[in-house]
Amino acid sequence: DAGITQSPRHKVTETGTPVTLRCHQTENHRYMYWYRQDPGHGLRLIHYSYGVKDTDKGEVSDGYSVSRSKTEDFLLTLESATSSQTSVYFCAIGAGASYEQYFGPGTRLTVT
Amino acid sequence: RKEVEQDPGPFNVPEGATVAFNCTYSNSASQSFFWYRQDCRKEPKLLMSVYSSGNEDGRFTAQLNRASQYISLLIRDSKLSDSATYLCVVNKIPGNQFYFGTGTSLTVIP
Repeated sequence: DAGITQSPRHKVTETGTPVTLRCHQTENHRYMYWYRQDPGHGLRLIHYSYGVKDTDKGEVSDGYSVSRSKTEDFLLTLESATSSQTSVYFCAIGAGASYEQYFGPGTRLTVT
Repeated sequence: RKEVEQDPGPFNVPEGATVAFNCTYSNSASQSFFWYRQDCRKEPKLLMSVYSSGNEDGRFTAQLNRASQYISLLIRDSKLSDSATYLCVVNKIPGNQFYFGTGTSLTVIP
């Protein structure tokens, strides 16, 4: 299995609070991705990174920000959590833009 | 129209059966195609890449039809352990992203 970890694995938070999710890889892959998965929508890209300090938006980026200060870490921040951000969040890594992606175990986030 | 479309199923098949899933994509310029499987409450895991000439991995065969813009996955001799959701994935052109289908649910029945 690819060396990808996510923390925390579960989190319950209140509306309006900031939340940061962490993705850590040991594969030295250039690309890292944050997705959310909701029933009926499948996996949707939030943000991705193609190198240290290089990030871009995905299709559902509103309300989220990311940072990548080291190759191995990609952080996803919800500045002010809302109930619509209750979801399962997956991090993924890839060696290149057209290469297969490998997923972390996911973080279940509940915003009450 | 969605970028990637899959029949959500569910497909309920007996052990030993052959089952096929199709997935259509909208961008004819797409170059990379994959099938993933996802077990309940788990992360998606790469099942196989899909190559232009078609490819096989044990009981699994993947094919690409560029003219009709679909990819397929054939599972032969289904096992109980094949029960999962199967996701098709297509890369976005231009860009560094992928589109995921919403998945096809398969249950193999004893």
